Amino acid sequence: EAQVTQNPRYLITVTGKKLTVTCSQNMNHEYMSWYRQDPGLGLRQIYYSMNVEVTDKGDVPEGYKVSRKEKRNFPLILESPSPNQTSLYFCASSPLSMGAANYGYTFGSGTRLTVV
Amino acid sequence: KQEVTQIPAALSVPEGENLVLNCSFTDSAIYNLQWFRQDPGKGLTSLLLIQSSQREQTSGRLNASLDKSSGRSTLYIAASQPGDSATYLCAFTDSWGKLQFGAGTQVVVTP
Repeated sequence: EAQVTQNPRYLITVTGKKLTVTCSQNMNHEYMSWYRQDPGLGLRQIYYSMNVEVTDKGDVPEGYKVSRKEKRNFPLILESPSPNQTSLYFCASSPLSMGAANYGYTFGSGTRLTVV
Repeated sequence: KQEVTQIPAALSVPEGENLVLNCSFTDSAIYNLQWFRQDPGKGLTSLLLIQSSQREQTSGRLNASLDKSSGRSTLYIAASQPGDSATYLCAFTDSWGKLQFGAGTQVVVTP
């Protein structure tokens, strides 16, 4: 089954303790992206990647890191989490390539992160 | 900055009525437009994708239209059911491949 898999689904952690949220897709998509969703603010892009070893900042990149060493994986790293990073996080992928954005996005099931 | 507006923000209808959800955007240079459904605290499920060259897409009781010149898309859900209760989000892909989301329309269908 074609899908985007995020882990974990739920995570409670303490301020300053490094964590990684994994994201993997089995559709050979070039484009992957991370979003966070907060009440009243909607979905905002954190980072995106056009392909392996190509990543760039989205709208709210502060406090986050990403890497794209393999096409299928795009982990989100919080090196020193803070309470304002408590949110619902989504990973998404698409077979986009420059000038050929005729395909939609597939989203993971989400990771609910609480930083205390 | 591109903006996506969804009207209404919330909608409550009795079962069997048709639903009309509106989405507007400020820039016509979009690659495609996608409608998603989100249940509370859950992920996003893609409902329909309209490519920039298309004017509408249909899937079962769902029909979505796209008018790039006026910057509007409409999602129609025929003969609504309680299981249609959810938040519906529209999002378009811009020229950089980024999804720009609206704030969503929260729908409640009462039995």
